[in-house]
Amino acid sequence: LAKTTQPISMDSYEGQEVNITCSHNNIATNDYITWYQQFPSQGPRFIIQGYKTKVTNEVASLFIPADRKSSTLSLPRVSLSDTAVYYCLVSLGGGYNKLIFGAGTRLAVHP
Amino acid sequence: EAGVTQFPSHSVIEKGQTVTLRCDPISGHDNLYWYRRVMGKEIKFLLHFVKESKQDESGMPNNRFLAERTGGTYSTLKVQPAELEDSGVYFCASSRALSGNTIYFGEGSWLTVV
Repeated sequence: LAKTTQPISMDSYEGQEVNITCSHNNIATNDYITWYQQFPSQGPRFIIQGYKTKVTNEVASLFIPADRKSSTLSLPRVSLSDTAVYYCLVSLGGGYNKLIFGAGTRLAVHP
Repeated sequence: EAGVTQFPSHSVIEKGQTVTLRCDPISGHDNLYWYRRVMGKEIKFLLHFVKESKQDESGMPNNRFLAERTGGTYSTLKVQPAELEDSGVYFCASSRALSGNTIYFGEGSWLTVV
């Protein structure tokens, strides 16, 4: 399973766009990239998933370059409620196999 | 559609006792996973069911942990006898049996062994 590397922490302010980049140099051909958000005392919450290029939903965008060795989660106009830990994960076949969690990125959004 | 449901949400037991955690996956999800986070550590994979069969149980820490999924619906994770180091939060997750499908997590069962 591909190992991921992402910043331990980030700080931002309300209304700003936040980009969190994750590297996964050993990603395999069939691996998907998935991002989760986790608040204290809650389970990880799915944000977005992609395989290549760009994916956008009502919450975020995910940018994946052609070599797929990295990905960037983009959160537009963050608010205080976006303060959480964000996990970047890669897994074989998306929903098929186990996810390997790292430490994640602790995002703190300030007023 | 109901999400992944876990019970109990919190449990405090004494060392040596038994605890059984239950997980109800999203309806129609053949894949069911158990994860846990112990204090100060990262979320770790425990095991993976496909319907009632154990697909991967490489993360189970020892034989004090027993997971079952009779009938391929809900699952239980029993810890017997519980030790202090078993304290943490146990997450259940589920997904459809198709490549590329999202894994959804429950809110977790918080276990404290005293």
